[in-house]
Amino acid sequence: ETGVTQTPRHLVMGMTNKKSLKCEQHLGHNAMYWYKQSAKKPLELMFVYNFKEQTENNSVPSRFSPECPNSSHLFLHLHTLQPEDSALYLCASSQALTRGRGDTQYFGPGTRLTVL
Amino acid sequence: EDQVTQSPEALRLQEGESSSLNCSYTVSGLRGLFWYRQDPGKGPEFLFTLYSAGEEKEKERLKATLTKKESFLHITAPKPEDSATYLCAVQADGGGNKLTFGTGTQLKVEL
Repeated sequence: ETGVTQTPRHLVMGMTNKKSLKCEQHLGHNAMYWYKQSAKKPLELMFVYNFKEQTENNSVPSRFSPECPNSSHLFLHLHTLQPEDSALYLCASSQALTRGRGDTQYFGPGTRLTVL
Repeated sequence: EDQVTQSPEALRLQEGESSSLNCSYTVSGLRGLFWYRQDPGKGPEFLFTLYSAGEEKEKERLKATLTKKESFLHITAPKPEDSATYLCAVQADGGGNKLTFGTGTQLKVEL
């Protein structure tokens, strides 16, 4: 399998559930990202990992907990979510170039999350 | 603060009717400007990266250009399969590898 994969593609959960989203990249990259995409709003960066270390947390509520065990895998653990957290959650990866020419990010297909 | 504004918000074209999408940006120093295509319910698909003013890149019916203040995505003789939302994003000096996205242009090409 190539590129960036995400599972599950769709998830419905209650406000008291605990679930996890998984992302895997097959591009040999060293940076991974979580984004949230809501209708009519720009993509919102949530977390950035460079070489397995979290380098950015964009003021995300603690009910979202990321985990990056290695450069190829990224998880987003969800607990006690609110209905307003319903959105498309996108994972991306890049080479992790932090200076010089731009660092192109490649996205997975996303997980459509619905919180009841 | 880095800013990206895309226009128009939505565009409806007839098949074969060429047009351009605009991306205006404000950054302290540009490392790269990125164009993506996104189909409904799917992740953004990478199209182009532009690094400096004057640069142009082409892929099939799409051509991206860059100035110091804006980028254009020109669509020549579009087909219905070009219908999608086109997203623009910038990466700035000193911002690490963070991308700032615009809200996108929703393009519909009709027969």
